[in-house]
Amino acid sequence: DQQVKQNSPSLSVQEGRISILNCDYTNSMFDYFLWYKKYPAEGPTFLISISSIKDKNEDGRFTVFLNKSAKHLSLHIVPSQPGDSAVYFCAARAVTSGTYKYIFGTGTRLKVLA
Amino acid sequence: DVKVTQSSRYLVKRTGEKVFLECVQDMDHENMFWYRQDPGLGLRLIYFSYDVKMKEKGDIPEGYSVSREKKERFSLILESASTNQTSMYLCASSPERVSKETQYFGPGTRLLVL
Repeated sequence: DQQVKQNSPSLSVQEGRISILNCDYTNSMFDYFLWYKKYPAEGPTFLISISSIKDKNEDGRFTVFLNKSAKHLSLHIVPSQPGDSAVYFCAARAVTSGTYKYIFGTGTRLKVLA
Repeated sequence: DVKVTQSSRYLVKRTGEKVFLECVQDMDHENMFWYRQDPGLGLRLIYFSYDVKMKEKGDIPEGYSVSREKKERFSLILESASTNQTSMYLCASSPERVSKETQYFGPGTRLLVL
């Protein structure tokens, strides 16, 4: 049972346009949601996060939106640049018994075309 | 700058061998995690630890064990490697037991079991 789902394995966008990456989740007890970016042969790097009590968080070209009623979050990248080409993972944090763990989606490969 | 290092970038082992993957972080983080990344499956949590000598099973612990004798070091052990353990292994760390939402990842170890 996949608690965090990224239904689009890949996405291609023209340079300068908006990239929208989507993520759905099933567990309403998640308290934070995160986006990570991963280049080949490197570990994921943290991009942006949002608390479950917020509905939007913005950091430069990156904005994350959270729709709790739909259990859906999205990452907007505006404007998209060729250097944004990477695999993007969404993750959700579950807190249990004083500790926590992260549950990741399957990733979306973004290709920004010059 | 947080640094998470992994002992090897690439490793080739034979079926049945005992394999040690080492991870070291230099930021005095309490929490450390081991994931594996496989195409179409995203990152899956194997084990995590929130303190020295403490360990918790993740979602796919079968065939693996871990050791955390010192705060900065978290080892993943494949007692008897099998071909289905060929994968990219990622270590991560994060501060405090229940804290800010970010994990920091190492560069990964690509393991091939023949």
